[in-house]
Amino acid sequence: GDSVTQMEGPVTLSEEAFLTINCTYTATGYPSLFWYVQYPGEGLQLLLKATKADDKGSNKGFEATYRKETTSFHLEKGSVQVSDSAVYFCALSEGSGYSTLTFGKGTMLLVSP
Amino acid sequence: NAGVMQNPRHLVRRRGQEARLRCSPMKGHSHVYWYRQLPEEGLKFMVYLQKENIIDESGMPKERFSAEFPKEGPSILRIQQVVRGDSAAYFCASSPFGQYTDTQYFGPGTRLTVL
Repeated sequence: GDSVTQMEGPVTLSEEAFLTINCTYTATGYPSLFWYVQYPGEGLQLLLKATKADDKGSNKGFEATYRKETTSFHLEKGSVQVSDSAVYFCALSEGSGYSTLTFGKGTMLLVSP
Repeated sequence: NAGVMQNPRHLVRRRGQEARLRCSPMKGHSHVYWYRQLPEEGLKFMVYLQKENIIDESGMPKERFSAEFPKEGPSILRIQQVVRGDSAAYFCASSPFGQYTDTQYFGPGTRLTVL
């Protein structure tokens, strides 16, 4: 079945450092790919998405490119802020019919001043 | 436009009691999904519903769990005879069309604690 693998956390960075959170997936067909962010005690918010190969999703300085050849969707940000501290989830929706999401286990990001 | 609403936000039950979790989707959305988040785990799909229909319940335990989305009112996730292993955060999401390219919008979750 479908699966998503994320790098384990926590990832600890200083403010203004470069961020990469790795995400790889296994799926049949051509899934849509998502990054969601969860702040403490809250629900998930969509950060960005890409629905076909080579698409780049971007939002709030975060970017991820849908790489079909490496089945990856790594999240990057050039300069993190303390307010980016949260748990980040990579997810996919299989490329046929309806859209139930398969999530990775999440990666906690901690940014210090 | 109000987002996805869930209530209660926190629910405490003793073993053997029933838990009812409610979800009101975003206005205009007729597709509802329930997910469960166990401690230190990602979210796991439980069930997908449209108005008055269960489309996919492949992630929901066969015993004690049920879900509905009536023509009027919120979607309900019902857990009968709760056990300690049911303690988790339960998230509801909604989407407008149910297509695989859709964005799902999540509610704040209900955190169930079973004593």
